[in-house]
Amino acid sequence: KAGVTQTPRYLIKTRGQQVTLSCSPISGHRSVSWYQQTPGQGLQFLFEYFSETQRNKGNFPGRFSGRQFSNSRSEMNVSTLELGDSALYLCASSFGGANYGYTFGSGTRLTVV
Amino acid sequence: AQTVTQSQPEMSVQEAETVTLSCTYDTSESDYYLFWYKQPPSRQMILVIRQEAYKQQNATENRFSVNFQKAAKSFSLKISDSQLGDAAMYFCAYRSSFSNFGNEKLTFGTGTRLTIIP
Repeated sequence: KAGVTQTPRYLIKTRGQQVTLSCSPISGHRSVSWYQQTPGQGLQFLFEYFSETQRNKGNFPGRFSGRQFSNSRSEMNVSTLELGDSALYLCASSFGGANYGYTFGSGTRLTVV
Repeated sequence: AQTVTQSQPEMSVQEAETVTLSCTYDTSESDYYLFWYKQPPSRQMILVIRQEAYKQQNATENRFSVNFQKAAKSFSLKISDSQLGDAAMYFCAYRSSFSNFGNEKLTFGTGTRLTIIP
């Protein structure tokens, strides 16, 4: 079966711009979570969506936002990019519920210059 | 808030030998899930093994096994018969079982880079 697909794989943006990243979960998975991975801060939780509703949000500024569509695909948006937003952004999908594991995508590497 | 600590930034092991990666966590919850994920250079996080806190029996997946000590809040990963393909970053992660649907947040440790020496 197809895995979690994240697009694009790589992205270079200029400070002050905005960016949208996409995540297509495994078919049937209704929960999508996003994580930011940096060498300094490690893996940090951004937010989680389930059936188009944001259920949980990490400690990130309002410049970071997301949404989930009726087909469970999710997008995250970062506005007014800062150099510190350079990171690997990982998406994980799950059926939802504590008994299920998570499948991660290969991430989008965002570089802000 | 829960925290996960991996005190070994780097580890190395001879091929075919056994290595143990350490993980400790802090939580006030009694029911939760613990995971070990592997991240090779391809960047994708791959689930290695999962442990439910209510289960006393340690989880095992082929060459991978855990030593889960709930009272000590310790969750170490043992890799037996190490192979070159095991080289990667290994992350320990915690997830609360509170609230079934939704609330899928994973709290990760800082990772251990495992090198396999041929």
